[in-house]
Amino acid sequence: GAVVSQHPSWVICKSGTSVKIECRSLDFQATTMFWYRQFPKQSLMLMATSNEGSKATYEQGVEKDKFLINHASLTLSTLTVTSAHPEDSSFYICSAREYATYNEQFFGPGTRLTVL
Amino acid sequence: GENVEQHPSTLSVQEGDSAVIKCTYSDSASNYFPWYKQELGKRPQLIIDIRSNVGEKKDQRIAVTLNKTAKHFSLHITETQPEDSAVYFCAASRGGNQFYFGTGTSLTVIP
Repeated sequence: GAVVSQHPSWVICKSGTSVKIECRSLDFQATTMFWYRQFPKQSLMLMATSNEGSKATYEQGVEKDKFLINHASLTLSTLTVTSAHPEDSSFYICSAREYATYNEQFFGPGTRLTVL
Repeated sequence: GENVEQHPSTLSVQEGDSAVIKCTYSDSASNYFPWYKQELGKRPQLIIDIRSNVGEKKDQRIAVTLNKTAKHFSLHITETQPEDSAVYFCAASRGGNQFYFGTGTSLTVIP
C-alpha cells in the first residue's frame, strides 16, 4: 500500500517551453502533497506544499508563477515548470501524505528534467 | 523557518561496525523526525522515525535517539552490511505539514 507514482520519469525540453509533471497516489487519498527539488548529490529542497482544493504554499525563494502547482483531487497533484530554462534542470520528487498516517509521507520515483 | 544540519557528510565504516549520523534542528515546534535512505537514482525510503514524545526508538539494527532540549537527534546503525551503503537524510517536521531535510550523509560500508 501507499504507492505514489510520477509521470514522466524523465523529460527533455527546449528552453522557453513548459513542462507538466504529474504525481498520483495510487491506493490512498492524499490530503497533502509535497514537491521537492534535488540537485545531484544534494539534499531534497521543499518547494511547496499543496492541499487538495486549495492554493499551494510555496517556500521562500520559490517562484509561484514559474512553478505552478495544482492539487485538483485527492489523488493527483501537478507541477508545471513554465518557460523552462537550463537552470531549472533538476530532479523533481513529489510525496504524498495520507490523513490516516498523518505524519508519514510517501515519495514518488522522481522526474528528471533536462532543459536544453 | 526550520534549519536542519546533518553530520558527517560522508562516512566509511568496516562491515560489522556501527555507524552514527547526527542532526540538529532549529524549530522547537518540530515534533516528527523521520530518517530516509536513498539509493542512487531512487526515491527516498523511510527507514525509521521518531516523534517528540519519545526519546528513543529501535527497529532491529536501526535506532534513533532524540534530545528535545538540545534539539538534536541521531541515527544509529549496528552490525553494518554492504547493502546499508546509501545516502541517508534526516528531516524535521511540524506535525507532517512541511518537511525540512538535512544535507545528507553518504555511507559506505566496506566489506
